[in-house]
Amino acid sequence: EPEVTQTPSHQVTQMGQEVILRCVPISNHLYFYWYRQILGQKVEFLVSFYNNEISEKSEIFDDQFSVERPDGSNFTLKIRSTKLEDSAMYFCASSEAGLSAQYFGPGTRLLVL
Amino acid sequence: QKEVEQNSGPLSVPEGAIASLNCTYSDRGSQSFFWYRQYSGKSPELIMSIYSNGDKEDGRFTAQLNKASQYVSLLIRDSQPSDSATYLCAVDNNDMRFGAGTRLTVKP
Repeated sequence: EPEVTQTPSHQVTQMGQEVILRCVPISNHLYFYWYRQILGQKVEFLVSFYNNEISEKSEIFDDQFSVERPDGSNFTLKIRSTKLEDSAMYFCASSEAGLSAQYFGPGTRLLVL
Repeated sequence: QKEVEQNSGPLSVPEGAIASLNCTYSDRGSQSFFWYRQYSGKSPELIMSIYSNGDKEDGRFTAQLNKASQYVSLLIRDSQPSDSATYLCAVDNNDMRFGAGTRLTVKP
């Protein structure tokens, strides 16, 4: 069964550094998403991406964040100048169409020291 | 502000019983509704999707949607200990919003 994959599973970084989180969505899916979940809190929408551009973003997704589909399979989230409060689990998801069921990857646990 | 509200629980039911999980949402424009299951430290796993008013059944799970009341529910019949997890309600209007989840414990 096709799955969303994410790398790395864990990432530790120093405050102020840049990190890139990688995702491989399900191959026939056209919509891609990033979410974050701070420990003990709810899953929060960051951004959706379709046809090589951002279609929606939340108030969390400010200039510190960017997304890219650098090739036909990968989808990346870049966090510039990381802050302590960026420590969270970051989930990538994909769906066949907008507003349809989203399938989540296993997540990347980011720890900013 | 787009809010999705769930009772945090914990909800405890005996094995074989029906577990009932509820969710309300604030965005009347919401178009798609989902229930996800999340085990501790894991990612959300899709259980059910529902798009129109009424009931939708899939095995032991039944989702119910009432857009007029802005209410979504999930019934789990014949609950099993393996159903013990946090259940997340998610509501999508091009920016999917999650509730905080209801923790369900099914006791053998």
